[in-house]
This record gives sequence, C-alpha cells and structure tokens, in this order.
Amino acid sequence: GENVEQHPSTLSVQEGDSAVIKCTYSDSASNYFPWYKQELGKRPQLIIDIRSNVGEKKDQRIAVTLNKTAKHFSLHITETQPEDSAVYFCAANDQYGNKLVFGAGTILRVKS
Amino acid sequence: NAGVTQTPKFQVLKTGQSMTLQCAQDMNHEYMSWYRQDPGMGLRLIHYSVGAGITDQGEVPNGYNVSRSTTEDFPLRLLSAAPSQTSVYFCASSYSLAYSPLHFGNGTRLTVT
Repeated sequence: GENVEQHPSTLSVQEGDSAVIKCTYSDSASNYFPWYKQELGKRPQLIIDIRSNVGEKKDQRIAVTLNKTAKHFSLHITETQPEDSAVYFCAANDQYGNKLVFGAGTILRVKS
Repeated sequence: NAGVTQTPKFQVLKTGQSMTLQCAQDMNHEYMSWYRQDPGMGLRLIHYSVGAGITDQGEVPNGYNVSRSTTEDFPLRLLSAAPSQTSVYFCASSYSLAYSPLHFGNGTRLTVT
C-alpha cells in the first residue's frame, strides 16, 4: 500500500525566514496531495492541496510543489510568523482514491 | 452547521472494557473515516466508509469495528480495550475523497489503563 515519508521531524526557523518540509510517496498512482496544519490540542485543518496535473500551487505565503517523476512533494512557507508554529502533515491518496495516508508530521517552531 | 461532531471528548477505560466513539456530520458527506494519532506516528487510518452500508479497513483495523447505517453517523467500537489503544481518535469526512478535502472532528482522547 501507499507509504508517505516526511522530513524533517522538527524544524526551527527565525521569524521572517522560509521553511520547507518535504514528503515522498511510494504509490505512483497517487494523484492527490494535501497538507494539514495542526495547532496544539486542535484538529488538523487543510492549508493547501495539489493534484497530479499541476506542478505548483500557491496561496499567499504558502506554496506546494510536486515532482511526480521523483514521487516527492514539498511545502514552502515564506516570511514565517509565530502563528505558523504547529505540526504539519503531508498526505497522499492510494491508487483507488479511497484512503488518505499521512506522513509522520513536522513540528515547526518559529522563533521571534 | 456543526461540521463533524465527535463524542465524548475524553474517556478513560479499563483493559477489557468496550465502548463506542460517536461521530456525526451534517454536511451530507458520503465519505467518512476514523484515524488514530500517536506521537511521532502521524495519523493512521483505522476504517473508512464511502457511503451508507459500505465500510472497509484502513491501515490499523484490528480491535475496532465500524458500521454505517446512515449517511450522517459513523461510530467506532472498541470491542475489548487494550493499553495499546490509548490514543487520540479523529473522525473525518469528505464529500468525495477524490475531489474534496477531509474535514476533521475535534477528536476523542482515550486512555486505557
């Protein structure tokens, strides 16, 4: 089945710097790649997603890139702010589109 | 519009006890799923359903049962609780996983002693 690996497990940046989180997936049939943000004690919430027919998608300070050949996708956060501190999860669907498999998560700390 | 509602928020069980975690959504979503979240392991899929009357196993289904008699409700049953089932449980729904994102409930924190 699908396997998603996420790196790094923790990331500390200074306020205003950029942060990059990378994920790799195993199922070449995967075609949907969302990113979720989870603040402490809260539920995961979608921040951005990308489908396999697109190489890059941007929403204000957040962007996601997808390389289908290499089977990896990345989250880019620019001009980080303290409120960006959270756990970020990447995910990929399986070949049948019925399961969303998550990475282990990245703890992002933005130091002010 | 409440979204995805999970009850209870907290639960403590003794080993061997059974219980049901409730999940209801009011968005007319066909797809519903249960995940467990453990430190360092992300969110792991327990069971999912693509519509009323249809359920299937995820990555970690052992020790859990589900049923989907209505579009709105998707309860998760622990048959005989074990300490390894101590976790935070999230229910999530989507109009269609192929076309729209997952919406998560607020979670249930379960401790098995």
